[in-house]
Amino acid sequence: EFVLTQSPDTLSLSPGERATLSCRASQSVDSNYLAWYQQKPGQSPRVLISGASTRATGIPDRFSGSGSGTDFTLTISRLEPEDFAVYYCQQYHTSRLTFGGGTKVEIK
Amino acid sequence: QVQLVQSGAEVKKPGASVQVSCKASGYTFTDYYIHWVRQAPGQGLDWMGWTNPKSGGTYYEQKFRGRVTMTRDTSINTAYMELSRLTSDDTAVYYCARVNRQWLVAGFFDNWGQGTLVTVSS
Repeated sequence: EFVLTQSPDTLSLSPGERATLSCRASQSVDSNYLAWYQQKPGQSPRVLISGASTRATGIPDRFSGSGSGTDFTLTISRLEPEDFAVYYCQQYHTSRLTFGGGTKVEIK
Repeated sequence: QVQLVQSGAEVKKPGASVQVSCKASGYTFTDYYIHWVRQAPGQGLDWMGWTNPKSGGTYYEQKFRGRVTMTRDTSINTAYMELSRLTSDDTAVYYCARVNRQWLVAGFFDNWGQGTLVTVSS
């Protein structure tokens, strides 16, 4: 089974600070088939990043993705008030998809 | 624009079945796989499986096999997910989601339905 482990569970930061979220895979994610989503309360998830580092249409450049193999990172360079949300990674390396458990970015 | 519009909230008793629909518009329905994802209250995203709208082929995650059925009706551009033998653990928001590229079974999801809350309670 392809397991994605996200850390930390919760990140408490202030607006303007930098957020660094981690996603570790139990197996290598070939071709960097890894995406990041943002989910706000009561809303459906929204894709931010695909292919580990490609921003989706309309996503601000303060969001960036990096990594390869088994270790991936989502960075939010300067947190805006609307960025406080839960973030999930997802692998699509196999047709049996999996999501990480999520990281909540909350206001400190 | 691409839209996935799901059916409304449901309340079911334990042991019953529920069917959630997902009506697609704004694109060629048969060209893109539809996946189903659920989210229990306060929990993360739990992938359930997919349906190929063109062929009707399906794949179900192991934990749901025997209880879930994913179908589609191409005449009305709608995908369905039916879950049977419901328990309280099945209380969740159920989402349909479209894969980002044509004819690709696995990908990221560029469009999601609004979610359907299914509550299982006696």
